[in-house]
Amino acid sequence: SAVISQKPSRDICQRGTSLTIQCQVDSQVTMMFWYRQQPGQSLTLIATANQGSEATYESGFVIDKFPISRPNLTFSTLTVSNMSPEDSSIYLCSVTRGGRSYNEQFFGPGTRLTVL
Amino acid sequence: DQQVKQNSPSLSVQEGRISILNCDYTNSMFDYFLWYKKYPAEGPTFLISISSIKDKNEDGRFTVFLNKSAKHLSLHIVPSQPGDSAVYFCAAKAGGYSGTYKYIFGTGTRLKVLA
Repeated sequence: SAVISQKPSRDICQRGTSLTIQCQVDSQVTMMFWYRQQPGQSLTLIATANQGSEATYESGFVIDKFPISRPNLTFSTLTVSNMSPEDSSIYLCSVTRGGRSYNEQFFGPGTRLTVL
Repeated sequence: DQQVKQNSPSLSVQEGRISILNCDYTNSMFDYFLWYKKYPAEGPTFLISISSIKDKNEDGRFTVFLNKSAKHLSLHIVPSQPGDSAVYFCAAKAGGYSGTYKYIFGTGTRLKVLA
């Protein structure tokens, strides 16, 4: 498995501000994913972040709203920009590993964001 | 368009009995399926997976069955324990080894195992 940490674990923010969420992995990984889970909903993929290339965003998500950085193989950030109450969600990063775990995805503990 | 569906939002089962969680998908190109368990305030935890070339995979109390013709998979937990109470998500992998890939999640089923 992979050990993944996220900061902050939770935050309460004001409308119109931005929050940057950090994701740190205990070993080098190629692909990192950012998800959102709105209350009572499924996990929705925001974007895939590969080191050394631009993030790939899913339909309905844009770089201006959710800029992502991936400076190296163990770290990524997701920024939620110009927040509104609709952005209140749990934000999760995840990674996949090679070898026997190739197809398995491991998640961080999540960041619970509340926007007032 | 929800490509992975879990039609039962909740399920209650008596301790010691079998829990059966169901998942349906629409895309025949999915090549790998996974089940995750999620407790409140934690990230999802991988449980068990199955390749599209198989129809069954077993790991301890957990068995996943895949019916490709029906585009249906199920997770069986036997015997169910109170600690199994959580939200269960099925997920499907779309994409290939050489290119990018992604995982599409179902809406989740909340399992409650009654002592």
